[in-house]
Amino acid sequence: SAVISQKPSRDICQRGTSLTIQCQVDSQVTMMFWYRQQPGQSLTLIATANQGSEATYESGFVIDKFPISRPNLTFSTLTVSNMSPEDSSIYLCSVLTGTAPYEQYFGPGTRLTVT
Amino acid sequence: AQKVTQAQTEISVVEKEDVTLDCVYETRDTTYYLFWYKQPPSGELVFLIRRNSFDEQNEISGRYSWNFQKSTSSFNFTITASQVVDSAVYFCALSEPGGYQKVTFGIGTKLQVIP
Repeated sequence: SAVISQKPSRDICQRGTSLTIQCQVDSQVTMMFWYRQQPGQSLTLIATANQGSEATYESGFVIDKFPISRPNLTFSTLTVSNMSPEDSSIYLCSVLTGTAPYEQYFGPGTRLTVT
Repeated sequence: AQKVTQAQTEISVVEKEDVTLDCVYETRDTTYYLFWYKQPPSGELVFLIRRNSFDEQNEISGRYSWNFQKSTSSFNFTITASQVVDSAVYFCALSEPGGYQKVTFGIGTKLQVIP
């Protein structure tokens, strides 16, 4: 199993600013992901956070807007840059543990409101 | 491309009624995993079940049961004798095989159990 914590749990930010969300896992994991859940919507994968290399972004998401770091196997950050109200969402960190079929775990999420 | 359809966006039932949440999926892969997650009002995602595409046995866990029918590409979820604590958004999801599991989520079904 994996226990995931995220900081901050929620924040209210002004348009044009940036926010960095932290994801900490209590054990080393190979795969870490960042998801977004816009209000009333489903979860959408933003990117895969790769340790030691650039993140792999899904269609519609770019590094300039959502830079990701993963300095080690237990920690990752997602930055939401130059925020607009459309970025108001829950951002979730997710990890895979074990071997195939992997167990997937989600963090508690960071609820972001942009005014 | 993978797709998950949850046609029921919102369902309301009276406590102690049974309720079935529908999930239909599309994939070209012969090997895949199906999931159900619960998201209560607090926002965290709670894992409920993972099903391998080769395992078509139905599963029962307490008041929860799942009916996987590969012939109709459906993976329906039934809650028996619903309780108020079952009120949440339920997501069906599908993952592709390979080195990591990219998960595609349905839009979710909001279940409200009325006392």
